[in-house]
Amino acid sequence: AQKVTQAQTEISVVEKEDVTLDCVYETRDTTYYLFWYKQPPSGELVFLIRRNSFDEQNEISGRYSWNFQKSTSSFNFTITASQVVDSAVYFCALSDRSNAGKSTFGDGTTLTVKP
Amino acid sequence: EAQVTQNPRYLITVTGKKLTVTCSQNMNHEYMSWYRQDPGLGLRQIYYSMNVEVTDKGDVPEGYKVSRKEKRNFPLILESPSPNQTSLYFCASSSAGTPYNEQFFGPGTRLTVL
Repeated sequence: AQKVTQAQTEISVVEKEDVTLDCVYETRDTTYYLFWYKQPPSGELVFLIRRNSFDEQNEISGRYSWNFQKSTSSFNFTITASQVVDSAVYFCALSDRSNAGKSTFGDGTTLTVKP
Repeated sequence: EAQVTQNPRYLITVTGKKLTVTCSQNMNHEYMSWYRQDPGLGLRQIYYSMNVEVTDKGDVPEGYKVSRKEKRNFPLILESPSPNQTSLYFCASSSAGTPYNEQFFGPGTRLTVL
């Protein structure tokens, strides 16, 4: 079975602070895919990043960075110098080969960035 | 414009009155899926389809039906809605026949069952 845990339900920071959103996953498969999605207050779901299990290289995209560590089954997301527009619900998701077709999302972390 | 559309966007109905939420994508995607979003529970997968005429249950399929007669459409059917199906529903599609690529989501349908 595949499982995703986002232990932080809500995080509040002040603008320009750095913030890390945690994601811990469980799968028995060796081939799997991890994702982050953003849901701003307007409600739409926006794709941020995809990682496969064979690529542990960390990724940086502007103020966003992702740290994938298979040893701890974590795929954490860091926002550097946060801005008010980063306020949103962030979801981590997992799809693995043995559950073909299934996609499991975490419960989400609500990030509030205050001016 | 590449997109996933859902209709209706908002629906208030009564217990037991059959309803259908439509979902359509114009990206020629093989994979489509339905999710429901409830406070504190994230997104939970209801049903998915990896191709035309191929559908399977997700984690919370009870009370729902789907069909995939054409590649672009994946309607969600509630034959006898109950109040516990009050939720925000999202349809999604992906270019692979699996959810291994990014999923493109529709705008959501907010359903209230009285």
